[in-house]
Amino acid sequence: KQEVTQIPAALSVPEGENLVLNCSFTDSAIYNLQWFRQDPGKGLTSLLLIQSSQREQTSGRLNASLDKSSGRSTLYIAASQPGDSATYLCAVRPSRSGSARQLTFGSGTQLTVLP
Amino acid sequence: SAVISQKPSRDICQRGTSLTIQCQVDSQVTMMFWYRQQPGQSLTLIATANQGSEATYESGFVIDKFPISRPNLTFSTLTVSNMSPEDSSIYLCSVVGLADSYNEQFFGPGTRLTVL
Repeated sequence: KQEVTQIPAALSVPEGENLVLNCSFTDSAIYNLQWFRQDPGKGLTSLLLIQSSQREQTSGRLNASLDKSSGRSTLYIAASQPGDSATYLCAVRPSRSGSARQLTFGSGTQLTVLP
Repeated sequence: SAVISQKPSRDICQRGTSLTIQCQVDSQVTMMFWYRQQPGQSLTLIATANQGSEATYESGFVIDKFPISRPNLTFSTLTVSNMSPEDSSIYLCSVVGLADSYNEQFFGPGTRLTVL
């Protein structure tokens, strides 16, 4: 059974700092990996999607990497801003077929960027 | 990307009553899902909403408690029946698009339910 772990559970940084969020997964047979952002009491916003054949994806100040063989992904946020404060969730989709191809979520990293 | 709306955005309900949550997508999608997020927890999949047929429920969730409808490719409802305080959660509709089956997944804004 796939398990997804995110470390740290919470992170507080001063504005302007570059930071890295970590995600690890136990089963490397994945179809893709997705990073989401969730503001308190709200839904999830998709940030980046990395297919299993890709090594990284970039969007603005965000860069996500994937090392499938070691079961790791990182989300790099450059020049952090107070508006980046949110919970960041990592989710993996297995490469199996059918209904078993559901996302497995990590428990998230709660990020606070201090002005 | 898909634009997803949910109604209501939040509600406070009495124990023993039922609430129906609506999910509307701006384009036809292959898969629609319903998730629950209990306070301080990550997401748990309730069921896959199947167009024109019964939903596929995950372990621990049953149709009598969470009846789901999906009459077409852009709309679904989730009913939380005979509610108790333990049902207080955020309920999220989620979709995967037609063009990218099992690819990028999108979520609605959520319905924040409090049961007294």
